[in-house]
Amino acid sequence: DAKTTQPPSMDCAEGRAANLPCNHSTISGNEYVYWYRQIHSQGPQYIIHGLKNNETNEMASLIITEDRKSSTLILPHATLRDTAVYYCIVRVAGTGTASKLTFGTGTRLQVTL
Amino acid sequence: DTGVSQNPRHKITKRGQNVTFRCDPISEHNRLYWYRQTLGQGPEFLTYFQNEAQLEKSRLLSDRFSAERPKGSFSTLEIQRTEQGDSAMYLCASSLYNQPQHFGDGTRLSIL
Repeated sequence: DAKTTQPPSMDCAEGRAANLPCNHSTISGNEYVYWYRQIHSQGPQYIIHGLKNNETNEMASLIITEDRKSSTLILPHATLRDTAVYYCIVRVAGTGTASKLTFGTGTRLQVTL
Repeated sequence: DTGVSQNPRHKITKRGQNVTFRCDPISEHNRLYWYRQTLGQGPEFLTYFQNEAQLEKSRLLSDRFSAERPKGSFSTLEIQRTEQGDSAMYLCASSLYNQPQHFGDGTRLSIL
C-alpha cells in the first residue's frame, strides 16, 4: 500500500470548516483513499472513502486532486465532538494482503471554542 | 446494526498468564480483523478471517498468539505466557467483503 503523509496536529475553531490534508504521492491507480478517526478511548470510526471522484456523506467531504497524489478531508462545521485523531489510509480493494488497513500516526485535530 | 462488540473492555493480568479476548462482529459481516494499538501509534494489523478461514497473519503475531473464528461468527484472540510488551489495546473490526471496516472499542490489556 502507498504511504501517506499527514501533519501531526491541527487546530480549528468550533463552527468553522476543518480541512485536513493528506499526501499520497505514490498511490496506484487501483488504490482507494480512506479516512478514519479515533476519538479518545474508542475504536477507529470510518468516515469516508474515494477512488478519484470527490465524495460527500453526512459526516464529511473528500476532495481528491486530479493527479490523485493528495486529498483533503473537510468537516464543514466542526464541533467539539470532532476532536480526534484523523487517519488517511490508502488501500487496494481486494482480498488477502490488500484487506488490511495500514494506519500511520494521523493528524490530531483539536476543535476549540 | 448493533456494532462490533469486544469483551472484556479492560484486562489486567500478571506476566506469564494466558489471556483470551472475544469479538462479536456485525452480524452479516463475513470478514473479521484483529489489530493492536500501542500508546501514540496507529493500529497495527495482526490477522484476519473470511468466514472461518484465517487468511493472513502478520509477523507481529508471534507463536504465543492464536486467533480463531470457529463458526464464522465471533472470534477469540488468545495470548499465552504474556509479556510486558503485550500491553496494548486490541481492536477488532468487521466488514462485508471489501466494504469499509467497522471497529469495536477494543480490549485494553495491562501486564503487571
